[in-house]
Amino acid sequence: AQTVTQSQPEMSVQEAETVTLSCTYDTSESNYYLFWYKQPPSRQMILVIRQEAYKQQNATENRFSVNFQKAAKSFSLKISDSQLGDTAMYFCAFMRMAGGTSYGKLTFGQGTILTVHP
Amino acid sequence: GAVVSQHPSRVICKSGTSVKIECRSLDFQATTMFWYRQFPKKSLMLMATSNEGSKATYEQGVEKDKFLINHASLTLSTLTVTSAHPEDSSFYICSVSRVGEKLFFGSGTQLSVL
Repeated sequence: AQTVTQSQPEMSVQEAETVTLSCTYDTSESNYYLFWYKQPPSRQMILVIRQEAYKQQNATENRFSVNFQKAAKSFSLKISDSQLGDTAMYFCAFMRMAGGTSYGKLTFGQGTILTVHP
Repeated sequence: GAVVSQHPSRVICKSGTSVKIECRSLDFQATTMFWYRQFPKKSLMLMATSNEGSKATYEQGVEKDKFLINHASLTLSTLTVTSAHPEDSSFYICSVSRVGEKLFFGSGTQLSVL
């Protein structure tokens, strides 16, 4: 079984500053995906970034980037130039890279509530 | 536009009644859908995997008779909370995936049992 741990229940940052959210995971799988999802007050799940475990290069999406350390099983999210709209709960998630009915099955971390202050 | 439609977005019911939540895949046929449950400011916990044309696969600790899942077509999965009680009050979210592609989430259903 997989586990995902987010050790920061809450974080805050000033607008335009940079913040890093931590995530560690445990798995015996060698091929998998890692995700960061954003859940704003509307509670709609929004994909922020995705990383394939076999790729050494860290994924980036505009102001969002990850630091993926496979050996350490660490997957942190860096948000640059923070904006008020980034205020949300952020979830780190794990998914096996498998076909069939396992594809799409996510294991989530506990979540980190991020508040961006003006 | 939305790829997954989930209804209703909010439902209030009396204790002892049953409530049905629908999850529709709008853009493609989905042989597999997932149902998650989320308490306020908590994580999403997988409840079950909904398989088209066969029985759902429930996670450990999830009562099969309480949470009935039906996946009768390739675009529709339903979650029925039977004989609902206040402790069943929660936010329920479905997700849909197509192998090798992105995952899509419904907008969620807030269930309040009085």
